[in-house]
Amino acid sequence: GQQLNQSPQSMFIQEGEDVSMNCTSSSIFNTWLWYKQDPGEGPVLLIALYKAGELTSNGRLTAQFGITRKDSFLNISASIPSDVGIYFCAGYSGGSNYKLTFGKGTLLTVNP
Amino acid sequence: DSGVTQTPKHLITATGQRVTLRCSPRSGDLSVYWYQQSLDQGLQFLIQYYNGEERAKGNILERFSAQQFPDLHSELNLSSLELGDSALYFCASSPGYPPLHFGNGTRLTVT
Repeated sequence: GQQLNQSPQSMFIQEGEDVSMNCTSSSIFNTWLWYKQDPGEGPVLLIALYKAGELTSNGRLTAQFGITRKDSFLNISASIPSDVGIYFCAGYSGGSNYKLTFGKGTLLTVNP
Repeated sequence: DSGVTQTPKHLITATGQRVTLRCSPRSGDLSVYWYQQSLDQGLQFLIQYYNGEERAKGNILERFSAQQFPDLHSELNLSSLELGDSALYFCASSPGYPPLHFGNGTRLTVT
């Protein structure tokens, strides 16, 4: 089946630093999504990307849909302590079932 | 608040028992998805319903079943529970296409 390789698995950064994480796949996706999950809560949608090459921002977050349609990255600028959590990428390749394929997540720790 | 409501929030039960998890999708969403998240694991897709009909199946055990009712709420039934079934179970909903919006999950503990 389809698999997403998300990296890095974890990151430890200082408050104020910029962060970058990415997802790659051997398959083409039509939609890329980025979610954040806080402990004990459900994943929250951060950014949705629908077109190859698309660059979308949400506050300090910026995500891009790779031109090859096989990758996506998420950048967080000027990190703050509340950015702590697990970030998941998810891809949708099309078809009638709309099933998403999730990466295994990037655990972000921000030291104040 | 995603608009997806899951109950109960926590559930503690014994091995061999049966439980039912409930999900109410966002207003207007026709599709409901169930995911399992174990410790240190990612989100494992279980099953999807669209307007009352099963649309896709993932790695759902035969001991697990689900349904979506005419009012679009969904229930996930877990039977003959084993210790390894302890996990967070998430429901998500969408209009029928991405993105999915997730509830806050039910934490199941099997003792």
